[in-house]
Amino acid sequence: EVQLLESGGGLVQPGGSLRLSCAASGFTFSTYGMSWVRQAPGKGLEWVSGISDSGGNTYYADSVKGRFTISRDNSKNTLYLQMNSLRVEDTAMYYCAKESVGSWEINWFDPWGQGTLVTVSS
Amino acid sequence: QSVLTQPPSVSGAPGQRVTISCTGSSSNIGAGYDVHWYRQLPGTAPKLLIFGNKNRPSGVPDRFSGSKSGTSASLAITGLQAEDEADYYCQSYDSSLSVPVVFGGGTRLTVL
Repeated sequence: EVQLLESGGGLVQPGGSLRLSCAASGFTFSTYGMSWVRQAPGKGLEWVSGISDSGGNTYYADSVKGRFTISRDNSKNTLYLQMNSLRVEDTAMYYCAKESVGSWEINWFDPWGQGTLVTVSS
Repeated sequence: QSVLTQPPSVSGAPGQRVTISCTGSSSNIGAGYDVHWYRQLPGTAPKLLIFGNKNRPSGVPDRFSGSKSGTSASLAITGLQAEDEADYYCQSYDSSLSVPVVFGGGTRLTVL
């Protein structure tokens, strides 16, 4: 069974940093692109960042570019999201998701992890 | 404001058929890019419901169907059940944006 388990969320002050992790199992992690998608309280889904299977290509939403860094360790089957200079508006549930095999034009996400909550507040 | 427009809410009685629309433009759905649908039950993570406009992952009942025409896509749910009460999101690609993934704003389905 394919499983994704996020960790690392918590309460942080504005300007602070957090590192999220997503442990993957049940599939050949190194052959799939991965993404982070967030959901602010009571709001819809927002794609945040994606990374290719090898880690050689990374992609970011404009709202986090320059502040967040996505990475992966294929030897540990783990995806990361380093979040710096956090803002109140970054408060959200952060989900990691496995991308389908294909280009962005046809990509879908399945499955999703259970999410980890990031709260940015003073 | 989402690039893909969904109605904020729809409702239906048990056993009825409901549809949820996802309206885009010539740079996303209208350009031929695939539409995917997700269901998010209260307090849980989103789950893939339809991929590639009309395909159901294994385990998704055939009560759920997807279609696409022009600049819009639709999710239809027949034989509505109480457990279908959830939020539904469409997702696609937009060639005019710097981000490779766009979601609709979501639709809350209420089973009356």
